Amino acid sequence: KAGVTQTPRYLIKTRGQQVTLSCSPISGHRSVSWYQQTPGQGLQFLFEYFSETQRNKGNFPGRFSGRQFSNSRSEMNVSTLELGDSALYLCASSSTSGGLYGYTFGSGTRLTVV
Amino acid sequence: DQQVKQNSPSLSVQEGRISILNCDYTNSMFDYFLWYKKYPAEGPTFLISISSIKDKNEDGRFTVFLNKSAKHLSLHIVPSQPGDSAVYFCAAIANAGGTSYGKLTFGQGTILTVHP
Repeated sequence: KAGVTQTPRYLIKTRGQQVTLSCSPISGHRSVSWYQQTPGQGLQFLFEYFSETQRNKGNFPGRFSGRQFSNSRSEMNVSTLELGDSALYLCASSSTSGGLYGYTFGSGTRLTVV
Repeated sequence: DQQVKQNSPSLSVQEGRISILNCDYTNSMFDYFLWYKKYPAEGPTFLISISSIKDKNEDGRFTVFLNKSAKHLSLHIVPSQPGDSAVYFCAAIANAGGTSYGKLTFGQGTILTVHP
């Protein structure tokens, strides 16, 4: 059973640019969540999608957006990149809303903004 | 407002001994608690979880204990092995009410080092 796949693994962007990250969940998983990990703030929730609908959103500016397709694959987009957006972006999938069974995370996309 | 706290940034243990990682929370709405293990440049790996209606859950070498009155949980690893060396994150979610879909709230992590 394939795990959660995130592409690309590494990305370098210039301040002011925009970036799109991709996440393919485990087959059959309909819930996809995104997280940002930085040394200072730790792991922080960005948003969650289920059946193409955003059901929950964390405390991030509107520059951070996402979507989910009918096959449950998800993308997140960051516009007008700032240096502080440099982070490891993690995607997680779940068959339900997690709970006892947890969420399965991908290996992440390391974004560096220069 | 840090709702989940891991107050020990690091823990060093001898192989074969018990590792005890601690976690405190403040939000009474949390109804599931999870532990994840993470290596650098990789995503967290789910280890074990516990529902708020339980006080203990065991899976092999891993046991999680929950003390609701103290809003405290701990992960016990017995016996500890060098391969257990990693960062351990405590996480919580408030599933009931449907307002926290997908939102795991993580602690800051504890670096566990198991020496041979």
